[in-house]
Formats: sequence, structure tokens, C-alpha cells
Amino acid sequence: DGGITQSPKYLFRKEGQNVTLSCEQNLNHDAMYWYRQDPGQGLRLIYYSQIVNDFQKGDIAEGYSVSREKKESFPLTVTSAQKNPTAFYLCASTTGVGETQYFGPGTRLLVL
Amino acid sequence: DAKTTQPPSMDCAEGRAANLPCNHSTISGNEYVYWYRQIHSQGPQYIIHGLKNNETNEMASLIITEDRKSSTLILPHATLRDTAVYYCTAERGGATNKLIFGTGTLLAVQP
Repeated sequence: DGGITQSPKYLFRKEGQNVTLSCEQNLNHDAMYWYRQDPGQGLRLIYYSQIVNDFQKGDIAEGYSVSREKKESFPLTVTSAQKNPTAFYLCASTTGVGETQYFGPGTRLLVL
Repeated sequence: DAKTTQPPSMDCAEGRAANLPCNHSTISGNEYVYWYRQIHSQGPQYIIHGLKNNETNEMASLIITEDRKSSTLILPHATLRDTAVYYCTAERGGATNKLIFGTGTLLAVQP
């Protein structure tokens, strides 16, 4: 079945630790996105990539980093510089402009 | 980017039509209106989108006003499984395909 997978479902981070959230898609989509969702809030864009080896900052990129070495994969690293990382993280992909975004199931990050 | 405004919550009786409004008065000519929904603790699910004309699919209907400043999502026969937060977004045509999500409308379908 085609779709987007995110892992892990829950992730715990210790103070000062970097953690990486995985996002994989087998939809052959060119563009991929990372969003952050806080309780009772909408989604905010962290980073997006329209093509392999290229990515752009979204509205809240500080404290995060990404890579896009393969079309299928777009991992997000939450660095120690992100002081308030507790949130629900959603990955999405799309074939391009004007097309539907497909979302993964999300990863919930908690700080110990 | 167009800002969208939605009521924070709505109730609907099971089996009845649910009509969810969205205001997007600053939408530009190349921005599509998209609707997604999010069931608690899951990723958003695409419902429908449109540019100028009304649209219908197996899930819902989308009615866009002639001036494009507002739209209504219609779930013709709401079920309990339709209880979710519904997001109306305006997609910025051209550069990034970035979605601007607001806080949405929590639709509670009552038995």
C-alpha cells in the first residue's frame, strides 16, 4: 500500500539531546513537508523540500534541521537549540503545486 | 497568503447534513480552497478542494461563493465517525504548495 510512514509514534528527549524523526513515503512524491502542532492549535510549517538535495525553511525553522538525500525520505532533527520541542510532528508529501497533501500518522515528542 | 476564519466548534445530529463555513476574504486568484480534517491524534486527512467551481466527491461537497470570499463544506449525512477538527486552508499557488492551517472547527456529531 502506498503512503507515508513516520517513526517512532512516541519519542522522548532528554535535555540537551538531539533527536531525529523519520518520515518515509512510497508515493513517488517530489515535495515533502514537516509541520508542528501544539495542543489545540493548527499546523505550523517547519521545513519543506520540493526536490532531492534541496530544502527551505518554513515559519518556525529555528532549532530544527532536515536533509533530503533520497526522494523517499525527509528526516527531521530536533536539536538542543529548540527549547520547547514538546509537540505533535506531522510529515506530509505532495506531487506538486495544486495537488493534495498526504499526511503521515505523526510523532509525538515529549521532553523528560 | 490568505487567512481563513472558521467557527471554533459546531454540533450536528447524526444522519443530518453538516455545513461548515469558512471565510477567506483575502484569498487571491491563484489560491485553492482546501479542506482537511483531523481525528484526534492522527494526521490530517484530505477531504476536497476547489478554485472557483463547486466540487463534490464521495466524502463531501464544497460550495464556493462567486466572489470566492467564503466557502462551505457539506457532509451530506454526518456519522459519529465524522467527529473531528475540520480545517479550511488557502493554498498558495505557485511556489511552495504550503498549507496555512488555522485552528479549525471541531465538529461534534451527536447520536
